[in-house]
Amino acid sequence: EAGVTQFPSHSVIEKGQTVTLRCDPISGHDNLYWYRRVMGKEIKFLLHFVKESKQDESGMPNNRFLAERTGGTYSTLKVQPAELEDSGVYFCASSQEGRAGEHEQFFGPGTRLTVL
Amino acid sequence: AQKVTQAQTEISVVEKEDVTLDCVYETRDTTYYLFWYKQPPSGELVFLIRRNSFDEQNEISGRYSWNFQKSTSSFNFTITASQVVDSAVYFCALALRSGYSTLTFGKGTMLLVSP
Repeated sequence: EAGVTQFPSHSVIEKGQTVTLRCDPISGHDNLYWYRRVMGKEIKFLLHFVKESKQDESGMPNNRFLAERTGGTYSTLKVQPAELEDSGVYFCASSQEGRAGEHEQFFGPGTRLTVL
Repeated sequence: AQKVTQAQTEISVVEKEDVTLDCVYETRDTTYYLFWYKQPPSGELVFLIRRNSFDEQNEISGRYSWNFQKSTSSFNFTITASQVVDSAVYFCALALRSGYSTLTFGKGTMLLVSP
């Protein structure tokens, strides 16, 4: 069974540009999460989808970030326009139906975003 | 709000040494889950263990063991006879039972095992 995949693995962009990150969860997983780790800090929650609906987006930093999950399958996270402080590793995770603690969250390898 | 503290930023040991990674958590909820994840150099987060707050039994899996103590709000992780392949960043995380709470992570502890 394929794990969580993320694309691209690395992205280097200039301040003001737009970047779109993609996450393909494990097939059949209703829950999809986005997290971000800024260098040396905690991995922080950004948002949570249950199927195609946003269950919780309280961690989204500001309105420059837009997440979608078309048809309850893959998800995209767009940053527009990117700022220097957006640099970090963006992780996607998925889990079976149910609450966060009830099932293991399977993580992807992350997308390392560098904004110059 | 909940919080996870991993006070050890980096630990260096020599192969075959035992090493304990500390994790202290804060939450007012009585029902929660604790996790440990490993992040090897390849980058992905690998699940190691999930523990329910009602289950305080210690757990051993090969060279890995976990000590959960509610009295001190700690969930420490010990690697016995460490190996070079254990070198990674280890994250402790907490999830509440209520609602659709997500994972709250600590800052991680980088473990370097040298030959």
